[in-house]
Amino acid sequence: EAGVAQSPRYKIIEKRQSVAFWCNPISGHATLYWYQQILGQGPKLLIQFQNNGVVDDSQLPKDRFSAERLKGVDSTLKIQPAKLEDSAVYLCASSLDSPLNTEAFFGQGTRLTVV
Amino acid sequence: AQSVAQPEDQVNVAEGNPLTVKCTYSVSGNPYLFWYVQYPNRGLQFLLKYITGDNLVKGSYGFEAEFNKSQTSFHLKKPSALVSDSALYFCAVRDRSGNTPLVFGKGTRLSVIA
Repeated sequence: EAGVAQSPRYKIIEKRQSVAFWCNPISGHATLYWYQQILGQGPKLLIQFQNNGVVDDSQLPKDRFSAERLKGVDSTLKIQPAKLEDSAVYLCASSLDSPLNTEAFFGQGTRLTVV
Repeated sequence: AQSVAQPEDQVNVAEGNPLTVKCTYSVSGNPYLFWYVQYPNRGLQFLLKYITGDNLVKGSYGFEAEFNKSQTSFHLKKPSALVSDSALYFCAVRDRSGNTPLVFGKGTRLSVIA
């Protein structure tokens, strides 16, 4: 079974530029998460999708971050414009969400450096 | 809202000794509980979960965790630590009621010394 795929692995941009990250979840997984992990901290949830609907985006900075999940499969996360404090690893995860299979599986992440 | 506390930033243990990484949680209802491990420049890897049933759950690489409802804890344990267990460990919780998010603690760095 293929895992969660993310691209790119690394990205360096200047502040005020825009950037987009892509995620392909495990096939059949209805729930998709985007997390932000700043160095030395735990992952912070940005947005949770159930199929192509948003379940929770309460911690997404909506003035600069946006995310979509077209057709309930792949997802993109965009930052526009980027700030220095957006430097972090962006993790995508997916979950089957059946009663006995609630664990999330993570991709390798995209390391964003804003200079 | 659910939350997770990992009170130790760092745990040091000698190889061959037992290890414990602590986690306490807060949810409004009943929890799903998880442990993940993160190696340098890698994503999070699932270790084990508590869903229901036996309070002692066993996971990958010889790790286990004990669910204690009265103390709202889910401590990670291993009887004999290996140097290769050195990594960052995260506890996570999800409320069973409704489609709730998976919330993580801040992580505990485990160092196993040869």
